[in-house]
Amino acid sequence: GAVVSQHPSWVICKSGTSVKIECRSLDFQATTMFWYRQFPKQSLMLMATSNEGSKATYEQGVEKDKFLINHASLTLSTLTVTSAHPEDSSFYICSASFGAAGDQPQHFGDGTRLSIL
Amino acid sequence: SQQGEEDPQALSIQEGENATMNCSYKTSINNLQWYRQNSGRGLVHLILIRSNEREKHSGRLRVTLDTSKKSSSLLITASRAADTASYFCACGSGNNRLAFGKGNQVVVIP
Repeated sequence: GAVVSQHPSWVICKSGTSVKIECRSLDFQATTMFWYRQFPKQSLMLMATSNEGSKATYEQGVEKDKFLINHASLTLSTLTVTSAHPEDSSFYICSASFGAAGDQPQHFGDGTRLSIL
Repeated sequence: SQQGEEDPQALSIQEGENATMNCSYKTSINNLQWYRQNSGRGLVHLILIRSNEREKHSGRLRVTLDTSKKSSSLLITASRAADTASYFCACGSGNNRLAFGKGNQVVVIP
């Protein structure tokens, strides 16, 4: 149980393109979803926390107009990287939890590798 | 900082040996969690230990927590090649998020 599906797994696109990444909890209702960014051989950097039906909470230094997060239902959150540039190239991972986030395990998608040319 | 810090950060062992890694943190926590990440994949939750627990087992995994020393250890017994991965500790402190450590790369040589 507790499966999280993340799509696409790999995106290569030109600079200036907007890219949407989907994160779905397949067999549970996620009260909270998280979006992380990970650089090679480094830890996860939390970008934002997303609760269904409310605005996402962004971490300091993360541009909310650049990284648009929508959490329309208890099973779907999307991250849109707007007007992506090469410096946005990274590995983006979502996770979902139910119950009190931080007190429960997080269930992760398989990540999206974004390469901007 | 609440962020966990794993030690050692890289470990190479022979198959069948035990692998031990440690995590230290700086402030009080509600729980500490360990995750595994295979290269290019998402993280997989391994085990959660609450602040009032001292030891927890799951299969070949054994986790300890010493809140007085603000540290935790993860022991993988009888390691297998499939255990090759990065292992992260993460601190939950009731602020609706987890703070992840930098990770510990484990290589199990067949």
